[in-house]
Amino acid sequence: EADIYQTPRYLVIGTGKKITLECSQTMGHDKMYWYQQDPGMELHLIHYSYGVNSTEKGDLSSESTVSRIRTEHFPLTLESARPSHTSQYLCASSELGDLKAGEQYFGPGTRLTVT
Amino acid sequence: SQKIEQNSEALNIQEGKTATLTCNYTNYSPAYLQWYRQDPGRGPVFLLLIRENEKEKRKERLKVTFDTTLKQSLFHITASQPADSATYLCALVRDGNKLVFGAGTILRVKS
Repeated sequence: EADIYQTPRYLVIGTGKKITLECSQTMGHDKMYWYQQDPGMELHLIHYSYGVNSTEKGDLSSESTVSRIRTEHFPLTLESARPSHTSQYLCASSELGDLKAGEQYFGPGTRLTVT
Repeated sequence: SQKIEQNSEALNIQEGKTATLTCNYTNYSPAYLQWYRQDPGRGPVFLLLIRENEKEKRKERLKVTFDTTLKQSLFHITASQPADSATYLCALVRDGNKLVFGAGTILRVKS
């Protein structure tokens, strides 16, 4: 079982609140990712990081921001939550290099509902 | 942009039969293709990876094929069991380790 953790698992919050979704991994992976997934739909990459102090936006535009101050920690923040942010957020990590060709390890996800 | 198509309809099969799931892609020539399993409310779990120069890959009851001419991958589960019921995702590897996912196919195995 992959050692990647996300908290909280479920979050219901009102419009306008600031939220931070936590993601931590104990595998020492340099690469980390955030995906957004709606029911029955594909995962969309919203942020990724190739190491400490490295963050990039993904394919799907998102109002969220991320930081990578420590290798093991990759939190995602929404400054002002809106109902359109309601979704499942999945964190993942992978090793650098081509050896495993991008095999990613996923956390259990955070189900966010903004009312 | 890259597009990945998986059967949107659920696949219902009887226990013991072979399940075959399809992944078609366009506008890309991936060096690798991956398959993941996702259970409801959980994150995907990696199953198999196949490289462009490999025609077939096996792992226990799982088999993946990769036809770069047809731009298609087939995922087979032999001797299927009810515990195999889940959503199966196809993903292309691009730009280093970034993945593009299909929406997945729901597999239901009935006993």
